Amino acid sequence: GENVEQHPSTLSVQEGDSAVIKCTYSDSASNYFPWYKQELGKGPQLIIDIRSNVGEKKDQRIAVTLNKTAKHFSLHITETQPEDSAVYFCAASMRGNMLTFGGGTRLMVKP
Amino acid sequence: EPEVTQTPSHQVTQMGQEVILRCVPISNHLYFYWYRQILGQKVEFLVSFYNNEISEKSEIFDDQFSVERPDGSNFTLKIRSTKLEDSAMYFCASNYQETQYFGPGTRLLVL
Repeated sequence: GENVEQHPSTLSVQEGDSAVIKCTYSDSASNYFPWYKQELGKGPQLIIDIRSNVGEKKDQRIAVTLNKTAKHFSLHITETQPEDSAVYFCAASMRGNMLTFGGGTRLMVKP
Repeated sequence: EPEVTQTPSHQVTQMGQEVILRCVPISNHLYFYWYRQILGQKVEFLVSFYNNEISEKSEIFDDQFSVERPDGSNFTLKIRSTKLEDSAMYFCASNYQETQYFGPGTRLLVL
């Protein structure tokens, strides 16, 4: 089955700096890659997703890149703010079916 | 904005007892899921449900688990005889056009 690895497990940045989180996946049949933000005591909230027919997608300060050949995808957050502090999960699936999650990255943005 | 809701938010039970976790998916969604997250570990897929039947399930989803959509709005996960290792956060999700929307979760503690 699919296996998703995520790095780093923790990331600390200064407010205003950029943060990059990387994931690799194993199943070349996966074609949908969402990113979720989880705040303490809440469920995962979708922040951005990308499908395998595009290489990059951007939404304001958040961008995701996908390299299908290398089977990796990354989340980029620019101009980080304290409210960006949370745990971020990447995931992979085929056609939006069962999601296989990475291990999560705890992002801390220091004011 | 419509959202997935889950009840209860917390459940404490004795080992061997049955528990039912409840979810109300977003109303026009057709696919429903249960995931669990053991403290400090990855979010893991349990089961997906479509058209009143299980469409996919993981190895975790053994005979102790069952799902049901008893009416037009609720989606339930039953654990027949809880074990200590069932202690986890359980998330329900529903799906629209590949995107899965998660509920806030139920924290289950088995003593």
